[in-house]
Amino acid sequence: DAKTTQPPSMDCAEGRAANLPCNHSTISGNEYVYWYRQIHSQGPQYIIHGLKNNETNEMASLIITEDRKSSTLILPHATLRDTAVYYCILYNQGGKLIFGQGTELSVKP
Amino acid sequence: EAQVTQNPRYLITVTGKKLTVTCSQNMNHEYMSWYRQDPGLGLRQIYYSMNVEVTDKGDVPEGYKVSRKEKRNFPLILESPSPNQTSLYFCASSLSKGRASPLHFGNGTRLTVT
Repeated sequence: DAKTTQPPSMDCAEGRAANLPCNHSTISGNEYVYWYRQIHSQGPQYIIHGLKNNETNEMASLIITEDRKSSTLILPHATLRDTAVYYCILYNQGGKLIFGQGTELSVKP
Repeated sequence: EAQVTQNPRYLITVTGKKLTVTCSQNMNHEYMSWYRQDPGLGLRQIYYSMNVEVTDKGDVPEGYKVSRKEKRNFPLILESPSPNQTSLYFCASSLSKGRASPLHFGNGTRLTVT
């Protein structure tokens, strides 16, 4: 199964852009990249997803490299409420979404 | 409000006493799934269902059962709970199994088995 690799933790200053990297070198051609976040022990929250092109919504931007082996989630102006664990996930056609360990993002004043 | 509702939020039980954690969604979603979350292990899928009467095992199905008799409900059953099933459980649903269907998660059930 395709898996993702993320740094275990990152810090970001409030008001600055947070750039969260994800490696997925074994991604299959038709797999989407999804990003979720989990604040404390709440249920994970969907952020954004993409296949090949860069995507943007009201929460974040997703940049996927041309070879699709890595991606970056960008929170343009991080706030304290963005402190959470961020998961980069590949959709598996077998119906199994594989969550990695995620990146614990700390936004500091 | 569109949501996935799990009950109970907290549950403490003893080894061997059968229990059911309920999950209901009001979005007419076809796909539903159960996850458990443990420190250092992340979120792991227990079972999933692509539609009514269709269920399949995830990565850690041992010790669990599910049923999907109605589209909106997907209960998780522990016939004989053991302490190693102490965990934080999440139910999730999406419109379909399709790749462009984000999962919506419930708020979790924290289960302690003594």
